Amino acid sequence: GQNIDQPTEMTATEGAIVQINCTYQTSGFNGLFWYQQHAGEAPTFLSYNVLDGLEEKGRFSSFLSRSKGYSYLLLKELQMKDSASYLCAVRDSNYQLIWGAGTKLIIKP
Amino acid sequence: IAGITQAPTSQILAAGRRMTLRCTQDMRHNAMYWYRQDLGLGLRLIHYSNTAGTTGKGEVPDGYSVSRANTDDFPLTLASAVPSQTSVYFCASSDGTGGDEQFFGPGTRLTVL
Repeated sequence: GQNIDQPTEMTATEGAIVQINCTYQTSGFNGLFWYQQHAGEAPTFLSYNVLDGLEEKGRFSSFLSRSKGYSYLLLKELQMKDSASYLCAVRDSNYQLIWGAGTKLIIKP
Repeated sequence: IAGITQAPTSQILAAGRRMTLRCTQDMRHNAMYWYRQDLGLGLRLIHYSNTAGTTGKGEVPDGYSVSRANTDDFPLTLASAVPSQTSVYFCASSDGTGGDEQFFGPGTRLTVL
């Protein structure tokens, strides 16, 4: 079966750095996405990786290792507004997104 | 309209009733999707449409139907609602190319009693 695993909840301190991991087992791989979802709102796109390596976008970076079925999202200089759920999703061989359950990130002052 | 809109925002429905959730996008995206999101579970794909006139089944299609008569609209119908269909429903669209991101509507919170 297809499976996306990510931690249920993480806590970090304002101004610090946090890494959210995602491991996947899917039928085929056509890219990995990270989305941010604030409580009661819709998911919004953060990053896309299809090749191995690190993609940097401001305070957020995303890393992919296809051989290990592994990705992480790195958030630097954490701000209170970063409190949200972070969703990992993999596009499978049918070009459909398989979603993880999300990691709820709590930022403390 | 800017992006994707969904209606209604929320709805309480008696079991056995028929309900249509509406979704409209103005980005001229080819592909559209319906997901449900339940606590502790990832987004699950109900139905999708890669282009106007075509639809496909996702992971959890039973009890739901869709149509795609034109590019902009992608309604989701529950023919006879059951309590297990209580969920938050998100419509999304993408332009259908390789690394394309999906844009989500604000969601519909549906409660079936």
